[in-house]
Amino acid sequence: GENVEQHPSTLSVQEGDSAVIKCTYSDSASNYFPWYKQELGKGPQLIIDIRSNVGEKKDQRIAVTLNKTAKHFSLHITETQPEDSAVYFCAARSDDKIIFGKGTRLHILP
Amino acid sequence: EPEVTQTPSHQVTQMGQEVILRCVPISNHLYFYWYRQILGQKVEFLVSFYNNEISEKSEIFDDQFSVERPDGSNFTLKIRSTKLEDSAMYFCASSYLGDLANTGELFFGEGSRLTVL
Repeated sequence: GENVEQHPSTLSVQEGDSAVIKCTYSDSASNYFPWYKQELGKGPQLIIDIRSNVGEKKDQRIAVTLNKTAKHFSLHITETQPEDSAVYFCAARSDDKIIFGKGTRLHILP
Repeated sequence: EPEVTQTPSHQVTQMGQEVILRCVPISNHLYFYWYRQILGQKVEFLVSFYNNEISEKSEIFDDQFSVERPDGSNFTLKIRSTKLEDSAMYFCASSYLGDLANTGELFFGEGSRLTVL
């Protein structure tokens, strides 16, 4: 089955700087890669996703890149703000389910 | 905006007791899921459900677990005889179609925290 690895597990960046979270996946048949943000005490919320026919997607300060050959995908957050502090999960679709990475706890430092 | 709702938000139970967690998926969604998150760990897939039957389940989803859609709106997860290691946050999710790659989003509820003593 699909296995998703994510790093780093914790990331601290100065407010205004960029944050990058990287993931790899194992199943070459996976074709959908969502990213979720989880705030304390809440369920995961989709922030951006990318499909395998696209290499990059951007939505305001958030961008995701996908390298299908290397089975890598990354989340980039620019001009970070305090409200970006949360746990971020990458994920990959395998059959009809989403498999999550272990999460990255992002701290935005004032 | 439509949302997935879950009850209870927190349940405390004694080991060996049965627990039922309830979910109301988004009304026009057809695919339903349960995920589990042990404190501080990743979100783990338990089971997917479509057309009144399980379409896929993980190794975690053993004989102690069952799911049901008893009516047109509720989707339940039952744990028959709870163990200490069942303590976790349980998330229900739904999507309009099962082909997530083409339809996009899996919508999650806020979760039900289960504490087994």
